[in-house]
Amino acid sequence: AIQLTQSPSSLSASVGDRVSITCRTSQDISSALAWYQQKPGRAPKLLIFDASILQSGVPSRFSGSGSGTYFTLTISSLQPDDFATYFCQQFNNFPFSFGQGTKLDIK
Amino acid sequence: QAQLVQSGAEVKKPGASVKVSCKAFTYTLSGYHLHWVRQAPGQGLEWMGWINPHTGGTNYAQQFQGRVIMTREMSIGTAYMELSSLTSEDSAVYYCARDREVLKWFGVPEFSAMDVWGQGTAVTVS
Repeated sequence: AIQLTQSPSSLSASVGDRVSITCRTSQDISSALAWYQQKPGRAPKLLIFDASILQSGVPSRFSGSGSGTYFTLTISSLQPDDFATYFCQQFNNFPFSFGQGTKLDIK
Repeated sequence: QAQLVQSGAEVKKPGASVKVSCKAFTYTLSGYHLHWVRQAPGQGLEWMGWINPHTGGTNYAQQFQGRVIMTREMSIGTAYMELSSLTSEDSAVYYCARDREVLKWFGVPEFSAMDVWGQGTAVTVS
């Protein structure tokens, strides 16, 4: 199974900050990667698919980049609603594994 | 707007089985693959498998093979996930989620991301 390693595991930041979260995969997955945001007690929400395509309705301050084994989710200017946990997931090979998550909280 | 609505919370004894339902609203269940994902308390997300609602075909993660069955009832637009031989380690919130790729009736199935999620079903094994 493909392993996904997110870094950092947790991150403290302030409103207005630019933050980036990385996701490394154990095998080349081309661009078959998605990013999700999850808030406590809620289902995950799709942010980015195919590594860099913004899901409809998601604010443009979110962006994704990368291919192969290295991917990045960037939030250009943090808003209060962005403090949550973020997960990456690969869709290149079964099982469709997830990263362990990155918890983003307020500094 | 497409929506998935899941059945309510369950409490089961060790060794029992649980069956969670997932009903599609405002879209046709047969149009998209459906995934099942679980999340243990305070933990990350774990992909369990998918079902092709059009054909009933399935693909299960290896760690669940032999214990999970994913089915669907097209007449009521509902998918099901049944997990047997429950242990305390199966205590989790179980989600169904739609793949964003339109299901193709022929050729290699394609997947890209989960764009519509159910609200989750908490299963407690105790």
